[in-house]
Amino acid sequence: QVQLQESGPGLVKPSQTLSLTCTVSGGSISSGSYYWSWIRQPAGKGLEWIGRIYTSGSTNYNPSLKSRVTISVDTSKNQFSLKLSSVTAADTAVYYCARAGAATVLDYWGQGTLVTVSS
Amino acid sequence: VIWMTQSPSLLSASTGDRVTISCRMSQGISSYLAWYQQKPGKAPELLIYAASTLQSGVPSRFSGSGSGTDFTLTISCLQSEDFATYYCQQYYSFPPTFGGGTKVEIK
Repeated sequence: QVQLQESGPGLVKPSQTLSLTCTVSGGSISSGSYYWSWIRQPAGKGLEWIGRIYTSGSTNYNPSLKSRVTISVDTSKNQFSLKLSSVTAADTAVYYCARAGAATVLDYWGQGTLVTVSS
Repeated sequence: VIWMTQSPSLLSASTGDRVTISCRMSQGISSYLAWYQQKPGKAPELLIYAASTLQSGVPSRFSGSGSGTDFTLTISCLQSEDFATYYCQQYYSFPPTFGGGTKVEIK
C-alpha cells in the first residue's frame, strides 16, 4: 500500500519561497509509470492542481503558477519536492502530494499540510 | 481552460436516499472524468475514473455515468459515512481542473 506524507514549514513570510517535501513509502518512487503531483486547497475552497513530475525528471506545471513553481524528485530518498516562490497570502492553503497515472487520476494522496503565508 | 459547473453546491439528504450530483463541462471531454470524496480535515479519495469505472475498494452504491459534457455521480442508497464533499475532475485537457464541489449534508 503506497503512502505519502508531506512535510515542511507551516508558516512562510510573504515574498519568500514555500518548500515542501513528500515522502513516499510502501513502494519505490521510481517503479511503475507514475506522476508525482502537488495539489492545493485554500480553506473552505476547491482544489487546484499545481504540477507533477515523472521519475525521469520531466515536469508539467499549471500555467497559472508556472513562473513560480519548481517540482523536483530525489529517487535515492524516495521523495519529491515543491518550491513556490514569491508567495503571498493567496498561497495560504492545505498542500497535498499525490500519485497519478498518465491520465492524471490521483489515486493515492498524502494527508495534507497547512501552509500559512503571513508576516 | 475547460470550465466545470458542478451542481448542486449543497445537497441535503437522508440516510437511504438516492442522490445524484451533476458535473457539466464547457466543452466535450469524452470520458476523461474522475470523482473524489473528501471528508472534513481529510484528503480527497478517488471514487470513480473514466467517468464510470469504480476505483478498487469503493462500494458499489457509487456509480458514475456520462460522456462528452454532462456527467453524473449517483449514490444509490446514502449511508452515514457518505456525508462529505464530492468533486469532479477533468483530465482531458491540460491543466487538469476540478469542479467547485458538492457538499452532501444530513437533512
